Amino acid sequence: EAQVTQNPRYLITVTGKKLTVTCSQNMNHEYMSWYRQDPGLGLRQIYYSMNVEVTDKGDVPEGYKVSRKEKRNFPLILESPSPNQTSLYFCASSLGPRSPLHFGNGTRLTVT
Amino acid sequence: GDSVTQMEGPVTLSEEAFLTINCTYTATGYPSLFWYVQYPGEGLQLLLKATKADDKGSNKGFEATYRKETTSFHLEKGSVQVSDSAVYFCALSGDFNKFYFGSGTKLNVKP
Repeated sequence: EAQVTQNPRYLITVTGKKLTVTCSQNMNHEYMSWYRQDPGLGLRQIYYSMNVEVTDKGDVPEGYKVSRKEKRNFPLILESPSPNQTSLYFCASSLGPRSPLHFGNGTRLTVT
Repeated sequence: GDSVTQMEGPVTLSEEAFLTINCTYTATGYPSLFWYVQYPGEGLQLLLKATKADDKGSNKGFEATYRKETTSFHLEKGSVQVSDSAVYFCALSGDFNKFYFGSGTKLNVKP
């Protein structure tokens, strides 16, 4: 089954404790991206990747890092999380930047 | 920069009513336009898309037409069902490899 898998689904952590949210897709998609969803703001793009070793900033990249060492994986790293990063995060992939996105089921992160 | 504006919700309708959710956009160049739907506890799913002016996207009774002259991509359905209750997002992908989403419109359909 074609899918985007994110882990974990829920994560509660404390300020400053580094964390990684994993994302993997099995569709051989070139384009992968991360979003955060906040009430009243919709989804905002954090980072995207056009291919292996090619990443670029979206609209809200501050406080986040990503890497794309393999085509299927695109982890999101918060090196020093802060409470304003409490949000619902989605990973997505597609054939290209103008193709429809396939979304994972989301990771709800709480930073206290 | 590019952006998407959609009508605020929630929108509450009775079953079989006509639905319109307005979406307008600002973009340089010629973006691709999308509507996504999100059911509780799930990720977003593509509902329909249009890639050039005057294209009409359609799926599951929903339709939207890419109007370049009014920079709009309004979502319509002739007769909504309770199962259509969800949050709907308008989105665009433009010339710079980025996606932009509207703030979402929650639809409640009552039996």
